[in-house]
Order: sequence, then structure tokens, then C-alpha cells
Amino acid sequence: SYVLTQPPSVSVAPGKTARITCGGNNIGSKSVHWYQQKPGQAPVLVIYYDSDRPSGIPERFSGSNSGNTATLTISRVEAGDEADYYCQVWDSSSDHAVFGGGTKLTVL
Amino acid sequence: QVQLVQSGAEVKKPGASVKVSCKASGYTFTSYGISWVRQAPGQGLEWMGWISAYNGNTNYAQKLQGRVTMTTDTSTSTAYMELRSLRSDDTAVYYCARVVVGATTAFDYWGQGTLVTVSS
Repeated sequence: SYVLTQPPSVSVAPGKTARITCGGNNIGSKSVHWYQQKPGQAPVLVIYYDSDRPSGIPERFSGSNSGNTATLTISRVEAGDEADYYCQVWDSSSDHAVFGGGTKLTVL
Repeated sequence: QVQLVQSGAEVKKPGASVKVSCKASGYTFTSYGISWVRQAPGQGLEWMGWISAYNGNTNYAQKLQGRVTMTTDTSTSTAYMELRSLRSDDTAVYYCARVVVGATTAFDYWGQGTLVTVSS
């Protein structure tokens, strides 16, 4: 089955740029979606189809996907961005969804 | 506005079954599917499967095959997830999420989650 690998944690100072990676075999050929989850809350979609933002998601959130790595970039990080972030793709061979293990973003 | 409202928390004994509901509103229920995702305490998201609200087709995660059944009631726009032979490691928050079946789309709306605790 398809595996997605994320770093367990990323730390960034307020106002700086955070980059959260999601590794997978030839992930650039797949559509990657990103979710933000704050403690005690349901996940929220922040990026879909690699780089599109749902309405209501700040422009500070952006995404890219190429080769074996997809990246979620958060510019001008704010304290409110502190959360767990998950990448997700569909495994086309089984039509099963696959989540990365999640990355805890800490704002210093 | 799209809403998915789930049933309340459950406490079950090992070996029992649990059935969680997810009532949809704000969109045409049969135009989408529902996926179920669970999250054990302190752990990541685990996809459980999906059901098409259009024709009832299902696709389950391999590790849950034989223990999970997903159904829908189109008359009430409600999806259900039943998990049988519960074990302690089934203790988790269970989420429903809207999805386009058969496409590589995202889970754009999520329910609030239902905590299922399995304990003797």
C-alpha cells in the first residue's frame, strides 16, 4: 500500500515561513490534500489538489507537489497556526485514502 | 451551509458493536459519498472506508474488512458506520467526512467527531 511520510514536528518563529513536507513514491503524479487539526477539533481542509485553497483559508497557506515530495507552506506564521497538519492522497490501485502520519507545527 | 452532525459519545465493552450516525444537510446527499476516518488518542488520522450515497457501493480499509459496515438512509440523509467485535484499540474519535466517490477529491466537510471508548 502507498505510504506518506511527514516529519513529526516543525518549529517556526512568528512571522517566519513554515514548510511541512509529505514524501511518497512519485507523489507528484497524485493529487495531494492538506488538513489542519487543532486540539479537540475536527480536521479542516486547508489545501486541495496540491495548491488550491478553499474559501476562507488565508492566502498565507500554499502548496506545491513535484517528484517525491509535496510541501505545505505557511507564510507569516501566526500563533493561531499552531496545529497538527496531515497530507492525504488516494491510492488509485485500491481507491483507498491514505494519510500521512501528521506534523505538529509549533510556533515559538 | 453544508453540515455533518454526528451522534453522541459511546462506551462499549470488548466484543460489543457500535453504530455511529452522521446526518448531512445543506447539499444533495446522493450526489456525494461519505468517508469515515478515526483517530486513536494521541495518534494520527486513519481512513476506514467510504460509501456512495448514490448507490450504496462501499470500499473498506483492509484491516477493518469483516468488522465494519457502512450504510446510508437517503430518506433522512444519514450515513451510518457500524463496527463489530470491538477491541480496546478501537477506542478513538470517529469522524465522517464528505467525499466525491471515485475521484481524487479532498474531504471538504467533516462531522464534529464521535468518541467511542471500548473498556471492560
